Amino acid sequence: QKEVEQDPGPLSVPEGAIVSLNCTYSNSAFQYFMWYRQYSRKGPELLMYTYSSGNKEDGRFTAQVDKSSKYISLFIRDSQPSDSATYLCAISRGAQKLVFGQGTRLTINP
Amino acid sequence: EADIYQTPRYLVIGTGKKITLECSQTMGHDKMYWYQQDPGMELHLIHYSYGVNSTEKGDLSSESTVSRIRTEHFPLTLESARPSHTSQYLCASSKGQEGTDTQYFGPGTRLTVL
Repeated sequence: QKEVEQDPGPLSVPEGAIVSLNCTYSNSAFQYFMWYRQYSRKGPELLMYTYSSGNKEDGRFTAQVDKSSKYISLFIRDSQPSDSATYLCAISRGAQKLVFGQGTRLTINP
Repeated sequence: EADIYQTPRYLVIGTGKKITLECSQTMGHDKMYWYQQDPGMELHLIHYSYGVNSTEKGDLSSESTVSRIRTEHFPLTLESARPSHTSQYLCASSKGQEGTDTQYFGPGTRLTVL
């Protein structure tokens, strides 16, 4: 069983829609949860991180962590064509190596 | 934007050739990493370094080797390239702090071995 599972999609939604991206993980020792965004032919860039259960907002993006269910989510409100990218969840046990999900390829259609 | 650079961006090479993928960062980060990423697949850690003269193998077995002679430089070498080495190689670096240790990625090198 993979340590982190992420639906690879692809996911295609109209502009303005609310997008929900999700990952599950198996090891309760994981403490830090991140979302990276990767545009085509570019390296991943950190979008958001959190280390506690609950929600964290940054503009149109909300990261949600449910440690009891080992489930993390990224919500994108008022999605824009510029949000089209692959979104990767990443989880770590501290200052340790990151474990990445497979990535969900998202397309926002104008 | 992160100050981490990779060259070349694209490389097409024949089987058996020796290649070196370059990675350098100007952020003074102690930790550096190499990942391999196939299309539609997750990133797999193949090498990492916690500082000068420190290198470790990652979770995914790789025939490549790395060196860390200078803080800012972390090259990856394949002594004899094979078609199975065709992939995207991503370099990353981080400060090495406790807690959330954000990794900053370079643009990647897309390697094709014929």
